[in-house]
Amino acid sequence: QSVLTQPPSASGNPGQRVTLSCSGSSSNIGSHPVNWYQQLPGTAPKLLIYNDNQRPSGVPDRCSASKSDTSASLTISGLQSGDEADYYCAAWDASLNGPVFGGGTKLTVL
Amino acid sequence: QVELQEAGPGLVKPSQTLSLTCTVSGGSISGESYFWSWIRQPAGRGLEWIGRIYSSGSTNYNPSLKSRVTISVDTSKNQFSLKLSSVTAADTAVYYCASFKHGYDSSGYYWYFDFWGRGTLVTVSS
Repeated sequence: QSVLTQPPSASGNPGQRVTLSCSGSSSNIGSHPVNWYQQLPGTAPKLLIYNDNQRPSGVPDRCSASKSDTSASLTISGLQSGDEADYYCAAWDASLNGPVFGGGTKLTVL
Repeated sequence: QVELQEAGPGLVKPSQTLSLTCTVSGGSISGESYFWSWIRQPAGRGLEWIGRIYSSGSTNYNPSLKSRVTISVDTSKNQFSLKLSSVTAADTAVYYCASFKHGYDSSGYYWYFDFWGRGTLVTVSS
């Protein structure tokens, strides 16, 4: 059971916009920045978003994120087949004194 | 570009100790803004942080694994290592090493795992 809660699956058609959610608590999302990672099949996770809504260089602006209270969301616009992957949210947890992850959302491009 | 590479046995017997090493290339393990972490992922499941170490040897561990985990660093070899004792089938997973970057910018404190190894599958079985 992951500390952060994500829906196990999501889907969208090419070109559409999809939003993935991540729910936590006051000890993690509510008080610390959220990061998002993309994991393509058979590969290591890749940083997509840090500090709630900052994109590392090289990440397209089709990817955006936000946070409100103890929940966060990742939005991917102009969906492409290459976006099919597992997406994980992560946040520092004050109770654990370490980072915690969501269980991941598998995104399918129909 | 920093690269990380995990190495170690792919098969460990129950009750024994899992040992992995991560070699860092393209950058110094003694960099100020970095901790060095181990993360694992059981097949078909999510990510679990195991622990982290600073180049000074200071460590933080996941409380759920703390009694069985030791992470160490060898700055002369630009490597850090993981030992997980008394393993069971539940410890079967892909183990990743990753760099944990942290600092301050205009938005405040930030942290993230920026560079990852490819991961190595460790199976616990007799």
